[in-house]
Amino acid sequence: GAGVSQSPSNKVTEKGKDVELRCDPISGHTALYWYRQSLGQGLEFLIYFQGNSAPDKSGLPSDRFSAERTGGSVSTLTIQRTQQEDSAVYLCASSSSGTSGRFGQFFGPGTRLTVL
Amino acid sequence: AQTVTQSQPEMSVQEAETVTLSCTYDTSESNYYLFWYKQPPSRQMILVIRQEAYKQQNATENRFSVNFQKAAKSFSLKISDSQLGDTAMYFCAFMPVNAGNNRKLIWGLGTSLAVNP
Repeated sequence: GAGVSQSPSNKVTEKGKDVELRCDPISGHTALYWYRQSLGQGLEFLIYFQGNSAPDKSGLPSDRFSAERTGGSVSTLTIQRTQQEDSAVYLCASSSSGTSGRFGQFFGPGTRLTVL
Repeated sequence: AQTVTQSQPEMSVQEAETVTLSCTYDTSESNYYLFWYKQPPSRQMILVIRQEAYKQQNATENRFSVNFQKAAKSFSLKISDSQLGDTAMYFCAFMPVNAGNNRKLIWGLGTSLAVNP
């Protein structure tokens, strides 16, 4: 595809359930980011993958959050035992290593997660 | 700590007029990148314009231009000839060049811009 894609577009779940959010970055982009955007708020950094390097997990809010990136491409963000405060839009972005400064990050359309 | 501040939570402008959105940032870095992103109701985050701190010349992209004042740590966005499609949240973001292997963007809280017909 031409851009970053995310699935599902919307996800409604019950408190305590686990959810998985998927991100397909732009082909060839080695850097991948996950952000969380709560209602009326800016973007909160969650995790960053760069090639084969260890991911930067410094933004993950709790151990209920985890992410993996398989084969240096697709990434999955998993939230275990969801809580109502996890309700937000989860955005994924990718960039080409070395150019993320010059050209910025390219974002997907996001997944809106609602925890009832 | 590095921070980005957007002091205008909401703004409005009449179609075809000019509007300026403000952004200030705090950093001890000397080299960095600055960005303006637009997020329309569709939720898609779109890069509007970028500026490299070592370049004194202000970036321009069609109707969008910036006023970059490095000493004042200010990076405002000017939208000329505003169009209805410019209605969106606008986010200012900062990224230090010397970020090691982590090109992490630092974001402001956004300005909601409404273009009125």
